[in-house]
Amino acid sequence: QKEVEQDPGPLSVPEGAIVSLNCTYSNSAFQYFMWYRQYSRKGPELLMYTYSSGNKEDGRFTAQVDKSSKYISLFIRDSQPSDSATYLCAMSEASKIIFGSGTRLSIRP
Amino acid sequence: KAGVTQTPRYLIKTRGQQVTLSCSPISGHRSVSWYQQTPGQGLQFLFEYFSETQRNKGNFPGRFSGRQFSNSRSEMNVSTLELGDSALYLCASSSDRAQYFGAGTRLSVL
Repeated sequence: QKEVEQDPGPLSVPEGAIVSLNCTYSNSAFQYFMWYRQYSRKGPELLMYTYSSGNKEDGRFTAQVDKSSKYISLFIRDSQPSDSATYLCAMSEASKIIFGSGTRLSIRP
Repeated sequence: KAGVTQTPRYLIKTRGQQVTLSCSPISGHRSVSWYQQTPGQGLQFLFEYFSETQRNKGNFPGRFSGRQFSNSRSEMNVSTLELGDSALYLCASSSDRAQYFGAGTRLSVL
């Protein structure tokens, strides 16, 4: 079993829809949780970075962490075609960081 | 503040050759990590350097090596290239838990 599981998609939604991206994990020692966005042929870009359980909002993006269920989510409101990319979750404990395999998201105009 | 800079952006080599990739981290960041990204395997951790010392290592053969200089700049070397080494090689620097990535070096092995 992988330490971090992420549905690879692809996920296709119409412009303006709310998008929900999710990851589950098995290692309860993970304390830091991140979401990255990666456009084709580019490096991953850090979107959100959270430490504790609960919600963190930044513009149209909300990151949610549920440590009791070992489940994290990224919500995108009012999705735009420019949000079309691969989204990777990542989590860390001590100096170890593990990435999910990424979910390909496509926003249809 | 300048981001993570990787050079070169693209590289074409033939089997058996060796290659060196370079990474300049964000100013003030002392940790540099290297990853290999392929469509089939996703993002795979190669190694991490902190203050010129290798702190963590992934499950890659000894053909993959790296080093870090006193100014935190890092290099990654792959010797005896194989076709399967074709990938996007990403460098990330960090000052805390979050990692900030460069644009990557796309290596093609023919």
